[in-house]
Amino acid sequence: AQSVTQPDIHITVSEGASLELRCNYSYGATPYLFWYVQSPGQGLQLLLKYFSGDTLVQGIKGFEAEFKRSQSSFNLRKPSVHWSDAAEYFCAAAGFQKLVFGTGTRLLVSP
Amino acid sequence: SQTIHQWPATLVQPVGSPLSLECTVEGTSNPNLYWYRQAAGRGLQLLFYSVGIGQISSEVPQNLSASRPQDRQFILSSKKLLLSDSGFYLCAWNPGGPGNEQFFGPGTRLTVL
Repeated sequence: AQSVTQPDIHITVSEGASLELRCNYSYGATPYLFWYVQSPGQGLQLLLKYFSGDTLVQGIKGFEAEFKRSQSSFNLRKPSVHWSDAAEYFCAAAGFQKLVFGTGTRLLVSP
Repeated sequence: SQTIHQWPATLVQPVGSPLSLECTVEGTSNPNLYWYRQAAGRGLQLLFYSVGIGQISSEVPQNLSASRPQDRQFILSSKKLLLSDSGFYLCAWNPGGPGNEQFFGPGTRLTVL
């Protein structure tokens, strides 16, 4: 069965430090992959997506993600975290007619 | 441009009461529509999705139901709420086709007392 794994439930990063959130997928073919962000009490906002082509994908708010087929990974990165980045982050992969989501990683930003 | 609306934004209901949450999409036609639930401290659980009027797929057996009476309207219902139905309910849509990128509504916070 298709699955998406986010191994980190919580991550704390100092403001200004770099960030990497991990995502691994289990799919038979090259998947369509997404990262979403959710602020408390809000809906999900798409940060970026990978369909094909360049394996390094740029998104909104200074985020990027790299698709690595050999590692079945699609990790999200940001070079310098801002306090406003504190939120829940979800990785997802496209299945038939629906998305398969990971369980999410909560990012805490310390001053 | 496309927009998605959910109402109400918040709802407090007693156990055993009925429920109706509404989701409406504007600016597109024949979207795929989805209902998700987030329990406190948990991830997203897909409840129902619909690829057309009157077509509903259920992902998790429970006391909730969904209907799609119009192309861009998706309704989540229950005849009798349980305490465990409390959570944050999210509606989403996508235009169909490969990739299934979804766009989410603002959500409804449901508290069952």
